[in-house]
Amino acid sequence: AQSVTQLDSQVPVFEEAPVELRCNYSSSVSVYLFWYVQYPNQGLQLLLKYLSGSTLVESINGFEAEFNKSQTSFHLRKPSVHISDTAEYFCAVSEWSNYQLIWGAGTKLIIKP
Amino acid sequence: EAGVVQSPRYKIIEKKQPVAFWCNPISGHNTLYWYRQNLGQGPELLIRYENEEAVDDSQLPKDRFSAERLKGVDSTLKIQPAELGDSAVYLCASSAPLQETQYFGPGTRLLVL
Repeated sequence: AQSVTQLDSQVPVFEEAPVELRCNYSSSVSVYLFWYVQYPNQGLQLLLKYLSGSTLVESINGFEAEFNKSQTSFHLRKPSVHISDTAEYFCAVSEWSNYQLIWGAGTKLIIKP
Repeated sequence: EAGVVQSPRYKIIEKKQPVAFWCNPISGHNTLYWYRQNLGQGPELLIRYENEEAVDDSQLPKDRFSAERLKGVDSTLKIQPAELGDSAVYLCASSAPLQETQYFGPGTRLLVL
């Protein structure tokens, strides 16, 4: 069965510092991978996704994630965070044949001024 | 393009009362999802519709929860009677035909007293 693990429930980081949010998944078949962001009191917004092709995918606001098949990981990174990045970040995976999303428990990114 | 619309945004009820949530998906999106998100957790799928048909309702607690999507567009999720443990955010999402990406509404935050 598929599962998604986000090891860190919270990640505190200083403003303008780099950050990495970790995501590992387990699946016996090919998958699509997603990162969603949830700002306080808002719904989930798609941040970026990996479907196929280049293993490095980027978002419009400076985040990137790299699909690593051998390590079954899809870690999210940003070289310099801003206070506006304060949010909860969710990793999710779905099988190619079944679009049902399996979710991680989320990681709260806390930006310290 | 309008996003997924949900109402109400917030609802406070007493236990044993009924409650209903409404969702209007993005135009042209034939797949509609209802999720429940508990505090500090990722979303949990309750039911998935393909047009009017509920194709996956295995996680819907059918003794008290019901859902409908009569014309294959908007949908209603009902709880009757509500219990204290139903307090959560109820999210609606939609996706286009044969597309893997789900787009979420802002959610309805339910508090059962």
